[in-house]
Amino acid sequence: DTEVTQTPKHLVMGMTNKKSLKCEQHMGHRAMYWYKQKAKKPPELMFVYSYEKLSINESVPSRFSPECPNSSLLNLHLHALQPEDSALYLCASSQAGGAGTDTQYFGPGTRLTVL
Amino acid sequence: GQNIDQPTEMTATEGAIVQINCTYQTSGFNGLFWYQQHAGEAPTFLSYNVLDGLEEKGRFSSFLSRSKGYSYLLLKELQMKDSASYLCAPFSGGYNKLIFGAGTRLAVHP
Repeated sequence: DTEVTQTPKHLVMGMTNKKSLKCEQHMGHRAMYWYKQKAKKPPELMFVYSYEKLSINESVPSRFSPECPNSSLLNLHLHALQPEDSALYLCASSQAGGAGTDTQYFGPGTRLTVL
Repeated sequence: GQNIDQPTEMTATEGAIVQINCTYQTSGFNGLFWYQQHAGEAPTFLSYNVLDGLEEKGRFSSFLSRSKGYSYLLLKELQMKDSASYLCAPFSGGYNKLIFGAGTRLAVHP
């Protein structure tokens, strides 16, 4: 089973709202990722968690706040977003966060619209 | 810095063979992944190469030359469902950091 699930599938929010995106995997993977993808562009890495610790933050604005409550769950808390933050947010997981080739498996994404 | 170059668009005929090239310049290179992404869907893993040479998986093959910073994805016996974007993604560093190329949109025609 290589399934990564994400909720919600779609989210519309105002610029003053606070919302959260959720990601879950039950493959025993110890690395989890958040990507942002704009239309007709490739995914852009935002954050990497390795063994539940934040290991990479790609200079993401603080209005995006990741959280990894346990090895199976990854959240992305959103606050005071801008319309240009509208995009598809993809979660991925892989076996381990260390060196080596770890295939990343992606969830279906959350399509976010900021009004 | 990171630089990944692949063609923006390609077209091919059902049943034919197509080769999608990717050149890259990345720091700390450890290997290269290819992903397929249908419009509005998540990327799905196709292949990865760590060593130079050809990796074959059914109708898909991927080649890597580390010294030339070059890879290609070969798709045989094309089917209409192969119409998608194909993302070249060098992998670098100790934290499984994937940097995606802009992607090649492949259109397969009858």
